[in-house]
Amino acid sequence: AQSVTQPDIHITVSEGASLELRCNYSYGATPYLFWYVQSPGQGLQLLLKYFSGDTLVQGIKGFEAEFKRSQSSFNLRKPSVHWSDAAEYFCAVGLRSSNTGKLIFGQGTTLQVKP
Amino acid sequence: GAGVSQSPSNKVTEKGKDVELRCDPISGHTALYWYRQSLGQGLEFLIYFQGNSAPDKSGLPSDRFSAERTGGSVSTLTIQRTQQEDSAVYLCASSFNTYNEQFFGPGTRLTVL
Repeated sequence: AQSVTQPDIHITVSEGASLELRCNYSYGATPYLFWYVQSPGQGLQLLLKYFSGDTLVQGIKGFEAEFKRSQSSFNLRKPSVHWSDAAEYFCAVGLRSSNTGKLIFGQGTTLQVKP
Repeated sequence: GAGVSQSPSNKVTEKGKDVELRCDPISGHTALYWYRQSLGQGLEFLIYFQGNSAPDKSGLPSDRFSAERTGGSVSTLTIQRTQQEDSAVYLCASSFNTYNEQFFGPGTRLTVL
């Protein structure tokens, strides 16, 4: 069965430090990939997406992610974290071979930012 | 333009009662999705609509759950005879078409007492 793994449940970084959130997926073909962010009490906001082409994708708020087919990974990065980045981050996978656009989500990574 | 809206934002009900949750997708979006977010289960897919049809209902947890979509727009998720394990945040999303990025609403927090 298809699955998405975010190995880190909780990460704490200092403001201004770099950030990398990990995401690995299990799927027989190349999926399409997303990162969403959720602030407390809010819905999910799309940070960035990968459908095809350039494997390094840029998103909003200074985030980027790199698709590595050989590692089945889609890690999210930011060079310098701001206090407002504290939130929960979800990696999601869409399945091209299905007749549905449903997304399979990882369990999420909670980011805490220290001043 | 307006995003995805959901109502009510919060719903408290007693065990055994029926509830209806509403989703207004972004205008022009043909695909609509319901997900459920709970502490123990994370984000789970429930059902997918393309227009008014539901080609994928595989995530509905039991026959107490049903959903419909009318006019290719508004969708209603109905939970009959609610149970405490139904307590969760129910999220709706829409996309221009299948396989496009999904835009999420703020969710309905359901509490079953």
